[in-house]
Amino acid sequence: DTGVSQDPRHKITKRGQNVTFRCDPISEHNRLYWYRQTLGQGPEFLTYFQNEAQLEKSRLLSDRFSAERPKGSFSTLEIQRTEQGDSAMYLCASSSQGPNTEAFFGQGTRLTVV
Amino acid sequence: AQTVTQSQPEMSVQEAETVTLSCTYDTSESDYYLFWYKQPPSRQMILVIRQEAYKQQNATENRFSVNFQKAAKSFSLKISDSQLGDAAMYFCAYMSGTASKLTFGTGTRLQVTL
Repeated sequence: DTGVSQDPRHKITKRGQNVTFRCDPISEHNRLYWYRQTLGQGPEFLTYFQNEAQLEKSRLLSDRFSAERPKGSFSTLEIQRTEQGDSAMYLCASSSQGPNTEAFFGQGTRLTVV
Repeated sequence: AQTVTQSQPEMSVQEAETVTLSCTYDTSESDYYLFWYKQPPSRQMILVIRQEAYKQQNATENRFSVNFQKAAKSFSLKISDSQLGDAAMYFCAYMSGTASKLTFGTGTRLQVTL
């Protein structure tokens, strides 16, 4: 296992287009997280899955954002009708269950909306 | 809501010297965990060190140690014998004992000079 994998690494899209990102977590991890990081800021929590169940969504996650983890393995994050303000690095992380477990991060998908 | 504050946007240290990065947090909870993450220019976040709030002993990992002052809600990171490879963004993060998401500070960019 090579760690958390995210695809694509970079995405440039026109405003109004839909985009989808994929995250493959570490195989034995049942928890998966999405964060968004803008320039000069720390990552902000977006949403979290335990197995296939989406347990928490941030108020940052507008109706244009949707995330799925259909079989409790990989996850997708879709942004509909992208806006320039969506430009950011989207980070995925995974962890095993239990308190204080280490979250392992992927390298992120950098989205640029033009 | 919990908040994490890193008041040093940038720090610089000479190779082999010691540097301390500051972090304060605000919470009303008694059960929580604190973390320092490193984000090198390649952008993949790596866990440096963690501290359980119920433990009085400060965590140590090789050249990295923390000064955890629970009453003052302070959690600083000390890097001893700094190396060129320590140059990165460092994020302080908080996790509630009842949740799994991380709340990050805005980060401190550490430069290591010869």
